Amino acid sequence: GQNIDQPTEMTATEGAIVQINCTYQTSGFNGLFWYQQHAGEAPTFLSYNVLDGLEEKGRFSSFLSRSKGYSYLLLKELQMKDSASYLCAVADSNYQLIWGAGTKLIIKP
Amino acid sequence: IAGITQAPTSQILAAGRRMTLRCTQDMRHNAMYWYRQDLGLGLRLIHYSNTAGTTGKGEVPDGYSVSRANTDDFPLTLASAVPSQTSVYFCASSEGTSHNEQFFGPGTRLTVL
Repeated sequence: GQNIDQPTEMTATEGAIVQINCTYQTSGFNGLFWYQQHAGEAPTFLSYNVLDGLEEKGRFSSFLSRSKGYSYLLLKELQMKDSASYLCAVADSNYQLIWGAGTKLIIKP
Repeated sequence: IAGITQAPTSQILAAGRRMTLRCTQDMRHNAMYWYRQDLGLGLRLIHYSNTAGTTGKGEVPDGYSVSRANTDDFPLTLASAVPSQTSVYFCASSEGTSHNEQFFGPGTRLTVL
């Protein structure tokens, strides 16, 4: 079967760095996406990785290792507005997205 | 209109009633999707459309139907609602079906009693 695993909840301090992990087992792989979802709102796109390595975009970076079926999202200089759920999704062999349940990130002052 | 709109924002529905959730995008995207989001579960694909005139079944299609008469609109119909269809429904679109990011509508919160 297809499976995406990520921690249910994480807590971090304002100004710090946090790493959210995602492991996956899917039928085929055509890229991995990270989305941010604030409570009561729609998911919004953060990053896309299809090749191994680190993609940096401002305070956010995303890493992929296809051989390990592993990705992480790194958030630096945390701000209170970063409190949200972070969703990992993998595009399978049919390019359909398989979604993890999301990681709720709580930022404390 | 800018992006994707969904209607209604929320709805309480009696079991057995028919309901259509509306979704419209103005980005001229080819692909559109309907997901449901339930607490503790990831987004689950209900139906999708890769281009106007075509539709396909996702992971959880039973009890739902869709149509794609044109590029902009992608309505989702519950023929006879049941309590297990209580959920938040998101419509999304993407330019293509390969590596393109999906853009989401604001969601419809549906409660079936």
